[in-house]
Amino acid sequence: GNSVTQMEGPVTLSEEAFLTINCTYTATGYPSLFWYVQYPGEGLQLLLKATKADDKGSNKGFEATYRKETTSFHLEKGSVQVSDSAVYFCALSETTLSGGYQKVTFGTGTKLQVIP
Amino acid sequence: DGGITQSPKYLFRKEGQNVTLSCEQNLNHDAMYWYRQDPGQGLRLIYYSQIVNDFQKGDIAEGYSVSREKKESFPLTVTSAQKNPTAFYLCASSIVPQVSAGELFFGEGSRLTVL
Repeated sequence: GNSVTQMEGPVTLSEEAFLTINCTYTATGYPSLFWYVQYPGEGLQLLLKATKADDKGSNKGFEATYRKETTSFHLEKGSVQVSDSAVYFCALSETTLSGGYQKVTFGTGTKLQVIP
Repeated sequence: DGGITQSPKYLFRKEGQNVTLSCEQNLNHDAMYWYRQDPGQGLRLIYYSQIVNDFQKGDIAEGYSVSREKKESFPLTVTSAQKNPTAFYLCASSIVPQVSAGELFFGEGSRLTVL
């Protein structure tokens, strides 16, 4: 079955540091890939997505590139802020054989803490 | 503003009691989902519904039940058969599944604690 593996956290960085959160996946077909962010006490929000190989998703200074050859979708940001402190989830979705439901598989999440 | 509203935000339950978590959306989305979140385990799918009056079991449906009588509403009942119900529960929705490519919109969650 499909799976998503993320680097374990927590990740602690100083403000303005460079961020990388690793994500690799296993899928039988050609999934779409996502990063979701969860701020304390809230639900998840879509941060960015990529639907095919070599696509780059970007939003709010975050970027991730769909690398089919390495089955990876690493999240990066050049200069983190305290407000980026949250839990980040990598996810993939793939249409089931019946063609209707888009099953979404989540990684376990990586907690990021940015200190001033 | 459109969105998903979950209630209550916090809920305490005694062992042996059933509880129902509410989820309402005004996004006009066809599909709705319930996930359970436990520390270090990511999100696990409990139930999903692609259309009114129809729903399917997810990966961990045992001890839970749902209904989908209206497009806007997808309540989750945690029954006494659920052996370890303490968790954070998230409701989500999406546009017609095969178009949305897996993009989910989430509510703010309900935290259930069994005393």
